[in-house]
Amino acid sequence: AQSVSQHNHHVILSEAASLELGCNYSYGGTVNLFWYVQYPGQHLQLLLKYFSGDPLVKGIKGFEAEFIKSKFSFNLRKPSVQWSDTAEYFCAVNSGGYQKVTFGTGTKLQVIP
Amino acid sequence: KAGVTQTPRYLIKTRGQQVTLSCSPISGHRSVSWYQQTPGQGLQFLFEYFSETQRNKGNFPGRFSGRQFSNSRSEMNVSTLELGDSALYLCASSPGQAYLYGYTFGSGTRLTVV
Repeated sequence: AQSVSQHNHHVILSEAASLELGCNYSYGGTVNLFWYVQYPGQHLQLLLKYFSGDPLVKGIKGFEAEFIKSKFSFNLRKPSVQWSDTAEYFCAVNSGGYQKVTFGTGTKLQVIP
Repeated sequence: KAGVTQTPRYLIKTRGQQVTLSCSPISGHRSVSWYQQTPGQGLQFLFEYFSETQRNKGNFPGRFSGRQFSNSRSEMNVSTLELGDSALYLCASSPGQAYLYGYTFGSGTRLTVV
């Protein structure tokens, strides 16, 4: 079965700090990977997705993620966070043979002005 | 265009009752998926419907059921409610295969079972 691990449950950063949120998945075959964000009081939104090709994926609001197949990882990065990035971030995976998308348990990011 | 609409936004029910939640996907989206979100478990997949057919199902008891209508609107039903069913229920739509297109989520229905 496919599974996703997000090791950081709660991250606190100061504005302008760099961000990297970890995401690891369990399946060794073809995968589709996603990052979603849930801002306070809002619905989940798609940040970026990876299906194939360039392992460095750029998403909205300056976020990017790198797919490293050998490490089964898809970490989310942003060079300089803003207070408005305060939200909960979810990594998600779909692996070959499964039609459902499995989500990680989420990482809450708090950015301090 | 309008987003994914879920009704009602909030529900309070008593143990043993049943509840029906509704979801209207984005126009043109044929796939509707349901997730249960709780603080401890995160998002847990319930089921997915595509063109009125259940295409995939998660590991939830038979008390959880759903259906999709010809206009792609979907309903989810939970019978014999238990306290542990208290959660935010999210509906997500997609033009086709969710794992190819990604989801557009609704704001959810917050169900409280007392």
